[in-house]
Amino acid sequence: GDSVTQMEGPVTLSEEAFLTINCTYTATGYPSLFWYVQYPGEGLQLLLKATKADDKGSNKGFEATYRKETTSFHLEKGSVQVSDSAVYFCALSPANFGNEKLTFGTGTRLTIIP
Amino acid sequence: EAGVAQSPRYKIIEKRQSVAFWCNPISGHATLYWYQQILGQGPKLLIQFQNNGVVDDSQLPKDRFSAERLKGVDSTLKIQPAKLEDSAVYLCASSLRGATDTQYFGPGTRLTVL
Repeated sequence: GDSVTQMEGPVTLSEEAFLTINCTYTATGYPSLFWYVQYPGEGLQLLLKATKADDKGSNKGFEATYRKETTSFHLEKGSVQVSDSAVYFCALSPANFGNEKLTFGTGTRLTIIP
Repeated sequence: EAGVAQSPRYKIIEKRQSVAFWCNPISGHATLYWYQQILGQGPKLLIQFQNNGVVDDSQLPKDRFSAERLKGVDSTLKIQPAKLEDSAVYLCASSLRGATDTQYFGPGTRLTVL
């Protein structure tokens, strides 16, 4: 079945550091890929998404590129801020129409130190 | 635009008791999802509704869990009887059509079973 493997946390970085959170997936065909973020005390919210190979999703300075050849969707940010402290989830939805459930990774907790 | 509403936010019960959670999706959203998020894991889909019909309930423990979405709007998830392993955050999400559309999540209900 479909699965998502995320870089284990927690991850602690200093402000303005470069961030990479690794995500790889197993799925048939060309699933859609997502990054969701959960800020402290808040619900999950979509950060960015990509629906086909080589697409780049971006939002709030974060980027991720859909790499079919490596089945990866790594999240990157050039300069993190304290406000980026949150839990980040990689997820996919299947390629076949009519089967649309999201499969999530286990999440990576990110803490940014001033 | 109002987000996805859930209640209660927190619930503590003893094992073998019953509990119910309520969700009000974003107005006009046809698809509604219930997820279970156990501590340290990513959300796992329990059931997906399209309007008031069930699309996917393959991971719903039907011997103790039930869900309904009367009139295709609000939804209720029930556990009867609860077990210790049901302790988790129960998330409700909605989307305009399906998982290829952005899913908007509510704040969740944290259930503790003693």
